[in-house]
Amino acid sequence: AQSVAQPEDQVNVAEGNPLTVKCTYSVSGNPYLFWYVQYPNRGLQFLLKYITGDNLVKGSYGFEAEFNKSQTSFHLKKPSALVSDSALYFCAVRDQGRGSTLGRLYFGRGTQLTVWP
Amino acid sequence: DTAVSQTPKYLVTQMGNDKSIKCEQNLGHDTMYWYKQDSKKFLKIMFSYNNKELIINETVPNRFSPKSPDKAHLNLHINSLELGDSAVYFCASSQAFKGFGDYNEQFFGPGTRLTVL
Repeated sequence: AQSVAQPEDQVNVAEGNPLTVKCTYSVSGNPYLFWYVQYPNRGLQFLLKYITGDNLVKGSYGFEAEFNKSQTSFHLKKPSALVSDSALYFCAVRDQGRGSTLGRLYFGRGTQLTVWP
Repeated sequence: DTAVSQTPKYLVTQMGNDKSIKCEQNLGHDTMYWYKQDSKKFLKIMFSYNNKELIINETVPNRFSPKSPDKAHLNLHINSLELGDSAVYFCASSQAFKGFGDYNEQFFGPGTRLTVL
């Protein structure tokens, strides 16, 4: 069964410091991996995705993520955090649809990132 | 211009009532989705329509009935509302077809906060 684990409910970091939000996944076949961000009372916004190719993926707002197949991980990173990065971050994995079906997107439980000034 | 819009933004109603949530996307996508986010922020797929055809139907009570009059609209009707239906409901869309395009990111609406009293 497909699943995503975000082992940390909360990550706190000082502005200007690097940040990492962890994600591990389980999926049959090749994974499609995504990161989304949710600001308070808003919908989810797409940050970046890994489909194939280079293991280091760059996305919006200076975020990047590294796909590690052997560790089944897809950690989100940013070299220098901003207070405005404070939000809820979701990792998601999509299995591949076959025939008449679509792949489903499975979300982790989310990690609340707080960046203090 | 709002890419994925939902109405209403807030919905407060009594147990046993019937209510609808509307969703529209102007991105020209073929596939639309309904997700439920519970009080712990966990996101789960409910339904997916591909070009007006029901593709994904998760284990959802049959009190929930999606309707897609055209590929730009996906409405959610809920009969006999229960306390446990209180949640935030998100509509999303993506450019995906049966078995193809699962790697495309989904665009989410702002959500509808449903409160059942």
